[in-house]
Amino acid sequence: KQEVTQIPAALSVPEGENLVLNCSFTDSAIYNLQWFRQDPGKGLTSLLLIQSSQREQTSGRLNASLDKSSGRSTLYIAASQPGDSATYLCAVPSSGNTPLVFGKGTRLSVIA
Amino acid sequence: DTAVSQTPKYLVTQMGNDKSIKCEQNLGHDTMYWYKQDSKKFLKIMFSYNNKELIINETVPNRFSPKSPDKAHLNLHINSLELGDSAVYFCASSQDPGDGYTFGSGTRLTVV
Repeated sequence: KQEVTQIPAALSVPEGENLVLNCSFTDSAIYNLQWFRQDPGKGLTSLLLIQSSQREQTSGRLNASLDKSSGRSTLYIAASQPGDSATYLCAVPSSGNTPLVFGKGTRLSVIA
Repeated sequence: DTAVSQTPKYLVTQMGNDKSIKCEQNLGHDTMYWYKQDSKKFLKIMFSYNNKELIINETVPNRFSPKSPDKAHLNLHINSLELGDSAVYFCASSQDPGDGYTFGSGTRLTVV
């Protein structure tokens, strides 16, 4: 059964820092991996989707990498801003349309 | 134009009542899901439907009954509500192969 772990559970950084959020999964037979952002009291916003054949994806200041063989993904946020404060969730399906299995998230606070 | 829309956004009701949450997606996706986010913010799959057919039922009490009248709609009916049902319920959809999962903004259910 797929399990997803995110480390750290919470992170507080000063504005401008570059930071890395970690995600690991137990079953490397994943179809893709998706990073989401959730603001307090809000829904999930998709940030990046990495297909199993890809090594990384970039969107603006965000870069996500995927190492299937080791069961790991990282989300790199460059030049963090207070507006980046949110909970970041990593999720994987085991195949195409199977439900996503989520990690418990990393709660990020960027201090101005 | 909202891709996955849920109604209502908030629902406060008394124990023992029956309530429904509606979900509609305009993405043309074949698969829809209901997730529950508990008080610790952990997201867990409840049901998965593919083209109106129930694919996954994750040991959810039978007081919860999903219904999919067509592939664009997936509703959730809950009978005899209990205090422990208080949570945020998210609807999502996906397509295989596709561009990941899209989530609705959530329905915050409070049972008093």
